[in-house]
Amino acid sequence: AQSVTQPDIHITVSEGASLELRCNYSYGATPYLFWYVQSPGQGLQLLLKYFSGDTLVQGIKGFEAEFKRSQSSFNLRKPSVHWSDAAEYFCAVGAQGFQKLVFGTGTRLLVSP
Amino acid sequence: EPEVTQTPSHQVTQMGQEVILRCVPISNHLYFYWYRQILGQKVEFLVSFYNNEISEKSEIFDDQFSVERPDGSNFTLKIRSTKLEDSAMYFCASSEEQGGRSPLHFGNGTRLTVT
Repeated sequence: AQSVTQPDIHITVSEGASLELRCNYSYGATPYLFWYVQSPGQGLQLLLKYFSGDTLVQGIKGFEAEFKRSQSSFNLRKPSVHWSDAAEYFCAVGAQGFQKLVFGTGTRLLVSP
Repeated sequence: EPEVTQTPSHQVTQMGQEVILRCVPISNHLYFYWYRQILGQKVEFLVSFYNNEISEKSEIFDDQFSVERPDGSNFTLKIRSTKLEDSAMYFCASSEEQGGRSPLHFGNGTRLTVT
């Protein structure tokens, strides 16, 4: 079965600084990987996804993520954080032939002035 | 951009009462899902639905839960006799293909409070 670990519960970053949110997954074959963002009172918005091919994927709002099979990781990055990026970020893994996504526990991003 | 809509945004009910949470998935999507998020915890899969039947469900989705697509647009989650521990945010989602391959599009959720 798939599983996802997001080791950081909270992260605080200064506005304009770079950001990296960690995600490690467990799955025997090539996973399908996703990052979602949840603003307060809102649903989950897809930031980016990885299915195959280029291991560096670009998403919306200037985010990117890199799939590293050797480290079972799919870390999310942004070169310069904006105050509006403050939200909860969820990494999720899916697998071919399965209906569901398995989510990590989320990382809450706080942006300081 | 088309979106998944959920109603109501907040539902308060007493323990033992039945609740129905409603969702309108994106119109050309074929796969439908319910997830829930207990406050401060991870988003958990409840059930997936395709071709008018449940295709996968989690151990959370016991006999107290049921899903239905009563017409061509709505997708509902019914909790027959609510318990305090059912208090959570419930998210509906839809996708074009199976969720392992195709991104899920989520609604804004219904916050269910059981008193």
